[in-house]
Amino acid sequence: DIVMTQSPDSLAVSLGERATINCKSSQSVLYSSNNKNYLGWYQQKPGQPPKLLIYWASTREAGVPDRFSGSGSVTDFTLTISSLQAEDVAVYYCQQYFVTPRTFGQGTKVEIK
Amino acid sequence: EMQLVESGGGLVQPGGSLRLSCAASGFTFSDHQMEWVRQAPGKGLEWVGRIRNKANSYTTDYAASVKGRFTISRDDSKNSLYLQMNSLKTEDTAMYYCTRYYYGLDVWGQGTTVTVSS
Repeated sequence: DIVMTQSPDSLAVSLGERATINCKSSQSVLYSSNNKNYLGWYQQKPGQPPKLLIYWASTREAGVPDRFSGSGSVTDFTLTISSLQAEDVAVYYCQQYFVTPRTFGQGTKVEIK
Repeated sequence: EMQLVESGGGLVQPGGSLRLSCAASGFTFSDHQMEWVRQAPGKGLEWVGRIRNKANSYTTDYAASVKGRFTISRDDSKNSLYLQMNSLKTEDTAMYYCTRYYYGLDVWGQGTTVTVSS
């Protein structure tokens, strides 16, 4: 199975400041035939189901604010919130959908400092 | 509006069975691969399994933790997805989410809670 490891487990950022979450996969999730990374980022607020923010590692889902961005390739990925807002307090997960079993990172809790 | 609504959760004793349902609306259900994801209380997300569409022969895949005990099925005529859970264990206690696979899991239900306890 592909192991997804996120860092840090939690972070506290001041409003308006940048938040950066890293995700590392134990194997490549880049499909060479289409040059796409099968990596998604999800946001989960308390009491709600997860919400897809980013797919193909860097494509923002419709309606997601442009302060959210994804980058990286092969095994190393990053989710960046460029200017943290109060409504961004949540747990963020990366997930590979390159192969089954799909696997998620352990989650990163983002709070306001 | 695309929507997934789960039902069928509840309290069940260890060793028991439960069948979850997921009703889909707002999109062409039969075109899509569907997946189940669960989340134990206070824990992270765990993928349970998937079922592909008719074009891909309705093939299924499961997490090792549920393989042989859980079965995913679908009824495209009813826009419904199912999760049959047998030989339930206490560690199956979780919120179970029905999801649509497109580019990643782009549509999620609100979830249904399964509690396995004596």
